[in-house]
Amino acid sequence: AQSVTQLDSHVSVSEGTPVLLRCNYSSSYSPSLFWYVQHPNKGLQLLLKYTSAATLVKGINGFEAEFKKSETSFHLTKPSAHMSDAAEYFCVVSDRVGYSSASKIIFGSGTRLSIRP
Amino acid sequence: KAGVTQTPRYLIKTRGQQVTLSCSPISGHRSVSWYQQTPGQGLQFLFEYFSETQRNKGNFPGRFSGRQFSNSRSEMNVSTLELGDSALYLCASSLDAQGRTGELFFGEGSRLTVL
Repeated sequence: AQSVTQLDSHVSVSEGTPVLLRCNYSSSYSPSLFWYVQHPNKGLQLLLKYTSAATLVKGINGFEAEFKKSETSFHLTKPSAHMSDAAEYFCVVSDRVGYSSASKIIFGSGTRLSIRP
Repeated sequence: KAGVTQTPRYLIKTRGQQVTLSCSPISGHRSVSWYQQTPGQGLQFLFEYFSETQRNKGNFPGRFSGRQFSNSRSEMNVSTLELGDSALYLCASSLDAQGRTGELFFGEGSRLTVL
């Protein structure tokens, strides 16, 4: 069965330091993986996506993520945190259901990122 | 290109009432999905509509229902409101059936408070 696990519910970093948000997935097939960001009282916005092309994916606002099949991970990173990065981040997997062409989207539980001045 | 529009943005109801929320997807998108977001339960999938047909449904009671019109606009309805229905209700649209591409475009949500 497909699943997504975000290993940290809350991450706090200082402004200007690196960010690492961890995500592990379980999938029977070749999944597509996504990171979404949600600022307070807003909808979710796509940060980046992996769809079986390059394993290192670059997204908006300086974020990137690396797909590691051997570790079933898709961790989100950013070299230098900015105050505006404070938000909730969701790791998402899109996968086929059984042998059908139907697909299913599964959201992680979210990681709240706080930035200290 | 206009984004996903949800109305109303905020509303307050009392227990036992019913509520209807509306979602206008991005032009050309045929799939509309609904999610409930609460601090305790996180983001939970309600249902997905594609070409006016309910394609997937989450684990919610029958008080939660929805529909999609021929112009892809969607409404969800919650009857006999309970305090626990207080949440941010998010609508997301996609070009194709949900999951086929995985890329969803979200509205800003409708914040429902039940008193």
